[in-house]
Amino acid sequence: DTGVSQNPRHKITKRGQNVTFRCDPISEHNRLYWYRQTLGQGPEFLTYFQNEAQLEKSRLLSDRFSAERPKGSFSTLEIQRTEQGDSAMYLCASSLGHNDNYGYTFGSGTRLTVV
Amino acid sequence: QKEVEQNSGPLSVPEGAIASLNCTYSDRGSQSFFWYRQYSGKSPELIMSIYSNGDKEDGRFTAQLNKASQYVSLLIRDSQPSDSATYLCAVFGGSQGNLIFGKGTKLSVKP
Repeated sequence: DTGVSQNPRHKITKRGQNVTFRCDPISEHNRLYWYRQTLGQGPEFLTYFQNEAQLEKSRLLSDRFSAERPKGSFSTLEIQRTEQGDSAMYLCASSLGHNDNYGYTFGSGTRLTVV
Repeated sequence: QKEVEQNSGPLSVPEGAIASLNCTYSDRGSQSFFWYRQYSGKSPELIMSIYSNGDKEDGRFTAQLNKASQYVSLLIRDSQPSDSATYLCAVFGGSQGNLIFGKGTKLSVKP
């Protein structure tokens, strides 16, 4: 197992376009998280899944954002009608479950630039 | 609103010195505490976790937790230029099922 994998690494899109990111977690991890990070800020929670169930969504997650985790494996995060304020690093993380001794393992992230 | 506070820095220390990074949190129900290191342009990497009051040592790193004061710290002994990075404090537990991060403290270790 090579860790959490995210694709693409970079995405440049025009304002108003839709984008989709993919995250493949560590195979035995049942929890998957999406965070967003802008320059000079810590990661901000967006949503998380336990297996295929989406258990929590942040107020940051507007109706233009949707996330799925079919069959409890990989996850996708889609942003519709992108805005310049959506430009950020989108981080995916996975864990064996909350309160484990290993925290979260993050992927390399997808850097989104909306022009 | 659950918060995790850190000084943004930059914190500059000479090579070989002890770097001390601090973090406070607002939710008294928090149970687990983590320190992540993030190099510029990279994703966060977990370096320490702590769950009980007191100190936890791992190599050159020591995490300290004081739940009564809602305070977590990270000490880096014999700091190296390769330790130059942003250090993120993260807190889990209480009423939320996800990690809450501080803004991070930028550490610069000068040769």
